[in-house]
Amino acid sequence: NAGVTQTPKFQVLKTGQSMTLQCAQDMNHNSMYWYRQDPGMGLRLIYYSASEGTTDKGEVPNGYNVSRLNKREFSLRLESAAPSQTSVYFCASSEETTGHYNEQFFGPGTRLTVL
Amino acid sequence: RKEVEQDPGPFNVPEGATVAFNCTYSNSASQSFFWYRQDCRKEPKLLMSVYSSGNEDGRFTAQLNRASQYISLLIRDSKLSDSATYLCVVNTRNSGNTPLVFGKGTRLSVIA
Repeated sequence: NAGVTQTPKFQVLKTGQSMTLQCAQDMNHNSMYWYRQDPGMGLRLIYYSASEGTTDKGEVPNGYNVSRLNKREFSLRLESAAPSQTSVYFCASSEETTGHYNEQFFGPGTRLTVL
Repeated sequence: RKEVEQDPGPFNVPEGATVAFNCTYSNSASQSFFWYRQDCRKEPKLLMSVYSSGNEDGRFTAQLNRASQYISLLIRDSKLSDSATYLCVVNTRNSGNTPLVFGKGTRLSVIA
């Protein structure tokens, strides 16, 4: 099992460019997440998808869109990149059971720089 | 008060030392608690879940105090390989639209 995979690993964009970060998991998990991690800020949730066909905003959704393409894949799109979106982006997945959150498995991250 | 607070450190300890990290959370409705470990430039990985009765995994012991709303992680006989950032994670299902809240992490450096 590959677990959670993310592409690309590194990306440099110019302000105003768009791009899509890809995430896939092979653990048959229902829930998937996108986080960003900035120095001194910790991990912050951008969007999540509790199940195929549903998505919800997290703590910092502005400037991002997501698509839960199928159970395996959850993509994050930056329509018009801004320098404030320079960050490390992590995708995660988990299998939720009623009333409890189980372990989240993280991908290796995408390091994005917006100039 | 922030939802999950941790001392950022760094904690610099010699090999073999015992070190303890504390974490406080603000929402008394929180239900699930975890410690994650994150190595430099890597993704976070689950270290251990924290149960009400406390739990131990080898050199690591986690405790939960619901009355005072804090969680602790104790590492005994520290190894160089324990050097990492330790993230306190709390689930508050009714906390707005954020299913899990991560603390900013406590950095540990174990020195030979």
